[in-house]
Amino acid sequence: QKEVEQNSGPLSVPEGAIASLNCTYSDRGSQSFFWYRQYSGKSPELIMSIYSNGDKEDGRFTAQLNKASQYVSLLIRDSQPSDSATYLCAQVPSSASKIIFGSGTRLSIRP
Amino acid sequence: DTAVSQTPKYLVTQMGNDKSIKCEQNLGHDTMYWYKQDSKKFLKIMFSYNNKELIINETVPNRFSPKSPDKAHLNLHINSLELGDSAVYFCASSQDLGESEPQHFGDGTRLSIL
Repeated sequence: QKEVEQNSGPLSVPEGAIASLNCTYSDRGSQSFFWYRQYSGKSPELIMSIYSNGDKEDGRFTAQLNKASQYVSLLIRDSQPSDSATYLCAQVPSSASKIIFGSGTRLSIRP
Repeated sequence: DTAVSQTPKYLVTQMGNDKSIKCEQNLGHDTMYWYKQDSKKFLKIMFSYNNKELIINETVPNRFSPKSPDKAHLNLHINSLELGDSAVYFCASSQDLGESEPQHFGDGTRLSIL
């Protein structure tokens, strides 16, 4: 089982709708979770971090963490074409000071 | 004023050659990393250094040798390049090793082995 799993997509969402990206992880002891956005040919860019159960909102982005079910999700409200990118879920495992990345979900916002 | 800069941006070379990639950060961070991203976009850590000291070496072949002359620089030297080394290599930095520290990435070096 991979440490961090994401659906590779592509996930196609109409402009203005809510895009929902999901991620599951295997290490129950993980405390830190991140969402990075990566445009094609560019470097990953941190957009959200979340450390406790529940929701964390930042503008149009909401991260949700459920440690009991071992999943973390990212909601993007009012999706814009500029949101089209690959979204990487990442976690810091309990055993080491490093970040484990998922393979990413490609999101496409259609006009 | 680029925060994390890598050179070169593109590297095309023959199998068997030796090449280096340089990385510098001007953020005053203590920790630097090298990641490899393959064609399937899977981003995997290779090395991390904290204040010039090697912290993580993730079962990378010993053809890869990182060097950190100071905490603002982390270079990667690769000997005897193989076809499977073709990938995008990202340098990153964070304030320190703390779990909650976000990582800042360079623009990547696209390595192609002929």
